[in-house]
Amino acid sequence: GDSVTQMEGPVTLSEEAFLTINCTYTATGYPSLFWYVQYPGEGLQLLLKATKADDKGSNKGFEATYRKETTSFHLEKGSVQVSDSAVYFCALSDPGGSYIPTFGRGTSLIVHP
Amino acid sequence: GAGVSQSPSNKVTEKGKDVELRCDPISGHTALYWYRQSLGQGLEFLIYFQGNSAPDKSGLPSDRFSAERTGGSVSTLTIQRTQQEDSAVYLCASSLSYGRLNTEAFFGQGTRLTVV
Repeated sequence: GDSVTQMEGPVTLSEEAFLTINCTYTATGYPSLFWYVQYPGEGLQLLLKATKADDKGSNKGFEATYRKETTSFHLEKGSVQVSDSAVYFCALSDPGGSYIPTFGRGTSLIVHP
Repeated sequence: GAGVSQSPSNKVTEKGKDVELRCDPISGHTALYWYRQSLGQGLEFLIYFQGNSAPDKSGLPSDRFSAERTGGSVSTLTIQRTQQEDSAVYLCASSLSYGRLNTEAFFGQGTRLTVV
């Protein structure tokens, strides 16, 4: 079945550091890939997405590239801010598989001033 | 409405009581999902509604859990004879659908259920 694996947290960084959160997936079909973010006390919201191989999703300085050959969708940001502190979830939606959005366990990011 | 609305936002109930959680999806979204988020855990899929099709109940953890969706819009998740392990945040999401392709899910703020 479909699954998403993302790196364990928490990830603790200083402001302006480079961020990478790894995400790999297993899918039956050709999935769409997503990163969601959950800020403290808030609901999940879509951060970025990519729907086909080599597509790059980007938003708020975050980027992730759909790598079919390595089944990965790693999240990156060149310079994090304290306001980026949140939990980040990698997810997929696979029309050839379960088609229900499948989520990773989430990675907590803590950014210190 | 502008987004997915869930009520109540918080619910404290005694063990053994029944609870109902409500979700009002984005207008026009045919797909509706319920997930459960426990402390330190990811999102656990519970149930999926798509238009007028029979719901996918494969994620419901026991027969104490049930859900319905009336008129293709509002959904209610019911937990009977609540147990302490049911304590979690229950999330509802909705999305547009094109055949088997579901677009990105839009989430509500969740209902935090505490069973004492």
